[in-house]
Amino acid sequence: AQSVTQLGSHVSVSEGALVLLRCNYSSSVPPYLFWYVQYPNQGLQLLLKYTTGATLVKGINGFEAEFKKSETSFHLTKPSAHMSDAAEYFCAFNSGGYQKVTFGTGTKLQVIP
Amino acid sequence: GAVVSQHPSRVICKSGTSVKIECRSLDFQATTMFWYRQFPKQSLMLMATSNEGSKATYEQGVEKDKFLINHASLTLSTLTVTSAHPEDSSFYICSAAGWGRGAEAFFGQGTRLTVV
Repeated sequence: AQSVTQLGSHVSVSEGALVLLRCNYSSSVPPYLFWYVQYPNQGLQLLLKYTTGATLVKGINGFEAEFKKSETSFHLTKPSAHMSDAAEYFCAFNSGGYQKVTFGTGTKLQVIP
Repeated sequence: GAVVSQHPSRVICKSGTSVKIECRSLDFQATTMFWYRQFPKQSLMLMATSNEGSKATYEQGVEKDKFLINHASLTLSTLTVTSAHPEDSSFYICSAAGWGRGAEAFFGQGTRLTVV
Protein backbone atom coordinates (compact mmCIF):
# COMPACT_ATOMS: atom_id res chain seq x y z
CA ALA A 1 0.00 0.00 0.00
CA GLN A 2 1.14 3.52 -0.68
CA SER A 3 1.39 5.87 2.25
CA VAL A 4 3.21 8.74 3.86
CA THR A 5 4.29 8.88 7.46
CA GLN A 6 5.06 12.07 9.31
CA LEU A 7 7.25 11.69 12.36
CA GLY A 8 6.21 13.94 15.19
CA SER A 9 2.72 15.37 15.52
CA HIS A 10 4.13 18.46 17.26
CA VAL A 11 7.42 20.22 16.68
CA SER A 12 8.60 23.28 18.59
CA VAL A 13 11.46 25.47 17.47
CA SER A 14 12.78 28.82 18.56
CA GLU A 15 12.42 31.79 16.28
CA GLY A 16 15.46 31.86 14.01
CA ALA A 17 16.23 28.17 14.47
CA LEU A 18 16.24 25.48 11.83
CA VAL A 19 12.91 23.90 10.98
CA LEU A 20 12.94 20.18 10.12
CA LEU A 21 9.72 18.31 9.55
CA ARG A 22 10.07 14.66 8.67
CA CYS A 23 8.19 12.67 6.08
CA ASN A 24 8.75 9.16 4.83
CA TYR A 25 6.82 7.48 2.07
CA SER A 26 6.05 3.97 0.98
CA SER A 27 5.29 3.37 -2.67
CA SER A 28 5.62 0.70 -5.30
CA VAL A 29 5.57 3.30 -8.08
CA PRO A 30 7.50 6.53 -8.52
CA PRO A 31 5.91 8.95 -6.10
CA TYR A 32 4.82 12.51 -6.50
CA LEU A 33 5.32 14.21 -3.15
CA PHE A 34 3.93 17.41 -1.75
CA TRP A 35 4.09 19.57 1.34
CA TYR A 36 1.07 21.65 2.26
CA VAL A 37 0.59 24.18 5.02
CA GLN A 38 -2.71 24.83 6.76
CA TYR A 39 -3.40 27.81 8.99
CA PRO A 40 -6.24 27.55 11.51
CA ASN A 41 -9.66 27.29 9.92
CA GLN A 42 -8.23 27.70 6.46
CA GLY A 43 -7.66 25.52 3.43
CA LEU A 44 -4.43 24.10 2.15
CA GLN A 45 -1.60 26.00 0.59
CA LEU A 46 0.97 24.19 -1.48
CA LEU A 47 4.51 24.82 -0.22
CA LEU A 48 6.36 22.70 -2.73
CA LYS A 49 6.20 19.55 -4.76
CA TYR A 50 8.44 16.89 -6.23
CA THR A 51 7.43 15.12 -9.40
CA THR A 52 10.54 14.31 -11.43
CA GLY A 53 13.95 15.84 -12.02
CA ALA A 54 15.91 17.73 -9.41
CA THR A 55 15.64 16.10 -6.03
CA LEU A 56 16.10 19.31 -4.06
CA VAL A 57 12.92 21.28 -4.37
CA LYS A 58 12.54 24.88 -3.31
CA GLY A 59 9.18 26.22 -2.35
CA ILE A 60 7.52 29.32 -1.03
CA ASN A 61 8.34 31.16 2.18
CA GLY A 62 11.92 29.86 2.22
CA PHE A 63 11.03 26.18 2.58
CA GLU A 64 12.73 23.40 0.72
CA ALA A 65 12.64 19.61 0.68
CA GLU A 66 14.89 16.91 -0.68
CA PHE A 67 13.64 13.70 -2.24
CA LYS A 68 15.88 10.84 -1.14
CA LYS A 69 14.89 7.63 -2.81
CA SER A 70 17.40 5.54 -0.87
CA GLU A 71 15.87 6.72 2.39
CA THR A 72 12.28 6.99 1.07
CA SER A 73 12.17 10.43 2.62
CA PHE A 74 10.98 13.91 1.73
CA HIS A 75 11.81 16.05 4.75
CA LEU A 76 10.87 19.71 4.84
CA THR A 77 13.38 22.27 6.04
CA LYS A 78 13.74 25.99 6.53
CA PRO A 79 16.99 27.56 7.76
CA SER A 80 15.40 30.13 10.04
CA ALA A 81 11.94 29.91 11.57
CA HIS A 82 9.63 32.90 11.67
CA MET A 83 6.66 33.36 13.96
CA SER A 84 4.44 33.33 10.88
CA ASP A 85 5.53 29.76 10.14
CA ALA A 86 3.44 28.45 13.03
CA ALA A 87 0.84 26.23 11.36
CA GLU A 88 0.04 22.63 10.55
CA TYR A 89 2.08 20.97 7.82
CA PHE A 90 1.00 18.00 5.80
CA CYS A 91 3.16 15.75 3.70
CA ALA A 92 1.21 14.21 0.86
CA PHE A 93 1.65 11.74 -1.93
CA ASN A 94 0.08 10.60 -5.12
CA SER A 95 1.14 8.48 -8.04
CA GLY A 96 0.55 11.21 -10.54
CA GLY A 97 -2.05 12.39 -12.96
CA TYR A 98 -5.56 12.25 -11.68
CA GLN A 99 -4.85 10.12 -8.70
CA LYS A 100 -6.10 10.91 -5.22
CA VAL A 101 -3.74 12.61 -2.83
CA THR A 102 -2.99 10.71 0.37
CA PHE A 103 -2.05 12.82 3.34
CA GLY A 104 0.15 12.21 6.29
CA THR A 105 -1.21 12.81 9.76
CA GLY A 106 0.21 16.30 9.94
CA THR A 107 2.79 18.06 12.08
CA LYS A 108 1.90 21.12 14.06
CA LEU A 109 4.78 23.56 14.13
CA GLN A 110 5.11 25.89 17.09
CA VAL A 111 7.57 28.77 16.91
CA ILE A 112 8.73 30.09 20.25
CA PRO A 113 9.77 33.75 20.47
CA GLY B 1 -1.19 27.79 -9.86
CA ALA B 2 -4.75 27.07 -10.81
CA VAL B 3 -7.67 28.44 -8.85
CA VAL B 4 -10.30 26.33 -7.16
CA SER B 5 -13.12 28.15 -5.46
CA GLN B 6 -15.18 26.50 -2.75
CA HIS B 7 -18.41 27.96 -1.45
CA PRO B 8 -19.60 28.58 1.19
CA SER B 9 -16.61 28.93 3.47
CA ARG B 10 -18.77 28.51 6.54
CA VAL B 11 -22.29 27.22 7.01
CA ILE B 12 -24.45 26.51 10.01
CA CYS B 13 -27.54 24.39 9.52
CA LYS B 14 -30.18 22.75 11.62
CA SER B 15 -30.16 19.06 12.23
CA GLY B 16 -32.19 17.22 9.61
CA THR B 17 -31.67 19.73 6.83
CA SER B 18 -29.45 19.37 3.76
CA VAL B 19 -26.48 21.47 2.82
CA LYS B 20 -24.84 21.87 -0.57
CA ILE B 21 -21.18 22.76 -0.99
CA GLU B 22 -19.85 23.88 -4.35
CA CYS B 23 -16.39 23.41 -5.77
CA ARG B 24 -15.46 25.28 -8.93
CA SER B 25 -12.31 25.23 -11.01
CA LEU B 26 -12.04 28.77 -12.28
CA ASP B 27 -9.29 28.59 -14.87
CA PHE B 28 -9.05 24.99 -16.02
CA GLN B 29 -11.19 22.00 -16.86
CA ALA B 30 -11.32 19.66 -13.90
CA THR B 31 -11.80 16.16 -15.20
CA THR B 32 -11.43 14.76 -11.70
CA MET B 33 -12.49 16.21 -8.39
CA PHE B 34 -11.88 14.90 -4.92
CA TRP B 35 -13.74 15.54 -1.69
CA TYR B 36 -11.98 15.34 1.65
CA ARG B 37 -13.15 15.60 5.22
CA GLN B 38 -11.03 16.81 8.09
CA PHE B 39 -11.97 16.13 11.68
CA PRO B 40 -10.62 18.47 14.36
CA LYS B 41 -6.90 18.09 14.87
CA GLN B 42 -6.72 15.30 12.31
CA SER B 43 -5.55 14.82 8.78
CA LEU B 44 -7.60 14.92 5.63
CA MET B 45 -9.46 11.78 4.70
CA LEU B 46 -10.63 11.19 1.16
CA MET B 47 -14.38 10.75 0.94
CA ALA B 48 -14.90 10.27 -2.77
CA THR B 49 -13.51 10.79 -6.24
CA SER B 50 -15.65 12.07 -9.06
CA ASN B 51 -14.99 12.19 -12.77
CA GLU B 52 -16.99 14.55 -14.92
CA GLY B 53 -20.14 12.92 -16.15
CA SER B 54 -19.72 9.77 -14.08
CA LYS B 55 -20.90 8.55 -10.74
CA ALA B 56 -18.59 9.26 -7.86
CA THR B 57 -16.44 6.55 -6.35
CA TYR B 58 -16.76 6.54 -2.58
CA GLU B 59 -14.15 5.41 -0.11
CA GLN B 60 -14.94 2.59 2.21
CA GLY B 61 -17.10 3.68 5.09
CA VAL B 62 -18.50 6.78 3.42
CA GLU B 63 -22.27 6.74 3.05
CA LYS B 64 -23.06 7.55 -0.56
CA ASP B 65 -26.72 8.26 0.21
CA LYS B 66 -25.73 10.78 2.83
CA PHE B 67 -22.97 12.52 0.94
CA LEU B 68 -24.27 13.10 -2.56
CA ILE B 69 -21.66 14.14 -5.08
CA ASN B 70 -22.43 15.55 -8.48
CA HIS B 71 -19.82 16.42 -11.10
CA ALA B 72 -21.99 17.47 -13.99
CA SER B 73 -19.54 19.79 -15.70
CA LEU B 74 -15.81 20.23 -16.10
CA THR B 75 -15.82 23.22 -13.78
CA LEU B 76 -18.26 22.32 -11.04
CA SER B 77 -18.69 19.58 -8.49
CA THR B 78 -21.10 19.67 -5.58
CA LEU B 79 -21.25 17.81 -2.29
CA THR B 80 -24.65 17.66 -0.61
CA VAL B 81 -24.82 16.55 2.98
CA THR B 82 -28.33 15.18 3.35
CA SER B 83 -30.28 15.06 6.59
CA ALA B 84 -27.33 16.52 8.42
CA HIS B 85 -26.63 15.59 12.01
CA PRO B 86 -24.21 17.14 14.52
CA GLU B 87 -21.69 14.37 13.85
CA ASP B 88 -21.46 15.60 10.27
CA SER B 89 -19.96 18.84 11.53
CA SER B 90 -16.52 19.00 10.02
CA PHE B 91 -14.22 20.79 7.60
CA TYR B 92 -14.79 19.70 4.01
CA ILE B 93 -12.24 20.41 1.28
CA CYS B 94 -12.40 19.77 -2.43
CA SER B 95 -9.59 19.47 -4.90
CA ALA B 96 -9.51 19.38 -8.65
CA ALA B 97 -7.19 17.89 -11.24
CA GLY B 98 -7.31 18.30 -14.98
CA TRP B 99 -5.63 18.21 -18.34
CA GLY B 100 -2.31 19.96 -18.55
CA ARG B 101 -2.01 20.37 -14.81
CA GLY B 102 0.41 17.54 -14.21
CA ALA B 103 0.48 15.71 -10.94
CA GLU B 104 -0.89 18.49 -8.82
CA ALA B 105 -4.42 18.65 -7.54
CA PHE B 106 -5.52 22.13 -6.57
CA PHE B 107 -7.43 22.63 -3.37
CA GLY B 108 -10.32 24.84 -2.48
CA GLN B 109 -10.29 26.85 0.72
CA GLY B 110 -12.60 24.49 2.54
CA THR B 111 -16.05 24.67 4.10
CA ARG B 112 -16.61 24.63 7.82
CA LEU B 113 -19.95 22.89 8.41
CA THR B 114 -21.62 23.14 11.79
CA VAL B 115 -24.83 21.24 12.38
CA VAL B 116 -26.85 22.41 15.38
